[in-house]
Amino acid sequence: DQQVKQNSPSLSVQEGRISILNCDYTNSMFDYFLWYKKYPAEGPTFLISISSIKDKNEDGRFTVFLNKSAKHLSLHIVPSQPGDSAVYFCAASGEVRVSNYQLIWGAGTKLIIKP
Amino acid sequence: DTAVSQTPKYLVTQMGNDKSIKCEQNLGHDTMYWYKQDSKKFLKIMFSYNNKELIINETVPNRFSPKSPDKAHLNLHINSLELGDSAVYFCASSLPDRTYGYTFGSGTRLTVV
Repeated sequence: DQQVKQNSPSLSVQEGRISILNCDYTNSMFDYFLWYKKYPAEGPTFLISISSIKDKNEDGRFTVFLNKSAKHLSLHIVPSQPGDSAVYFCAASGEVRVSNYQLIWGAGTKLIIKP
Repeated sequence: DTAVSQTPKYLVTQMGNDKSIKCEQNLGHDTMYWYKQDSKKFLKIMFSYNNKELIINETVPNRFSPKSPDKAHLNLHINSLELGDSAVYFCASSLPDRTYGYTFGSGTRLTVV
């Protein structure tokens, strides 16, 4: 049973435009969400996170939005650059009785930025 | 200077062999993890150690045994390798405060033939 879902296996976006990556979760007790970026033959790298007490967190070109009622979060990248081409993983965690603080991962979305 | 380093990067071995993957972190993190990325690209946690003590042990065959000689190292030993063990294995580390996320190694691609 997938608790964190990224329903788009891939996404293609023109350079300079906005990239929007989506993530849905099923457990309303998750209280912390993270996005990771992964290049081929490398490990995932932490990108941005958001606590459930917020609905938006911004870091440069990256903004994460959280909609708790819809159990949905999204990562916006604007403007998209060629170096953003990678696989993006969404992850969620909760306290001891939820996930024991361990991260529950989505399957990833491959983002391709076209020049 | 690599923060989380794991060796080897590639490992090709025959069924039935025993192999080890090593992981070291120089970040001073208290917690280390082993993840498996399967053929469907899901990242699944296998083990988690906090200050050399096992705190998470997911449903993993007994053939997999983690060993943490100190809090900077977490090695993974696999006995009697099977074809289904072929995957990419990632080591990671983190601070107790989960807001900082995990730092991952670059992965070990294990191929069992």
